[in-house]
Amino acid sequence: DAGVIQSPRHEVTEMGQEVTLRCKPISGHDYLFWYRQTMMRGLELLIYFNNNVPIDDSGMPEDRFSAKMPNASFSTLKIQPSEPRDSAVYFCASTRGQGETQYFGPGTRLLVL
Amino acid sequence: DAKTTQPPSMDCAEGRAANLPCNHSTISGNEYVYWYRQIHSQGPQYIIHGLKNNETNEMASLIITEDRKSSTLILPHATLRDTAVYYCIVRVANAGGTSYGKLTFGQGTILTVHP
Repeated sequence: DAGVIQSPRHEVTEMGQEVTLRCKPISGHDYLFWYRQTMMRGLELLIYFNNNVPIDDSGMPEDRFSAKMPNASFSTLKIQPSEPRDSAVYFCASTRGQGETQYFGPGTRLLVL
Repeated sequence: DAKTTQPPSMDCAEGRAANLPCNHSTISGNEYVYWYRQIHSQGPQYIIHGLKNNETNEMASLIITEDRKSSTLILPHATLRDTAVYYCIVRVANAGGTSYGKLTFGQGTILTVHP
């Protein structure tokens, strides 16, 4: 299995620009999770989907953040406009079944200047 | 979800057993204990989980006390590649509800395995 695939692995952008992070879950997995990791706040759950439908977005920090899952094999996390405090590592994870083991991708390192 | 308490850091000699403690005194009867680890610059990796009984797999053993208020992750023969942050997480076990399946990560324990 290829595992969870995230792109890009690194992103450097300027404040105010739109940023789009991408995730391809493991084939056959029906749950997809987006996390953010910073030194100050650790690893936080932002949003998760089941069968492409957002179930819980209570962790999304503000309206500048949006996530979509147009099909079972692709999800995006978009930040518009980006701010320096959005600099973090963003992880995507997937699982087959809600209570099963989550498998994480390698993450996207975002730096907003 | 119940909160967990872990020591911020631990050291272990290569080849020796690493015993990582976790306190979860407010755990509910319907919550599992999960362990993940995160090696530098990588995503978190699942290690093991349990509800009441001790568990063992190819990576580690999990010892849960009878009252379920604490647990210990054991890496029987630590190697340099086991140097990582280890997270102990309690997670709702019963199906249904938006909290089921959510993982809440704390600060974890930084385990350093030295030669």
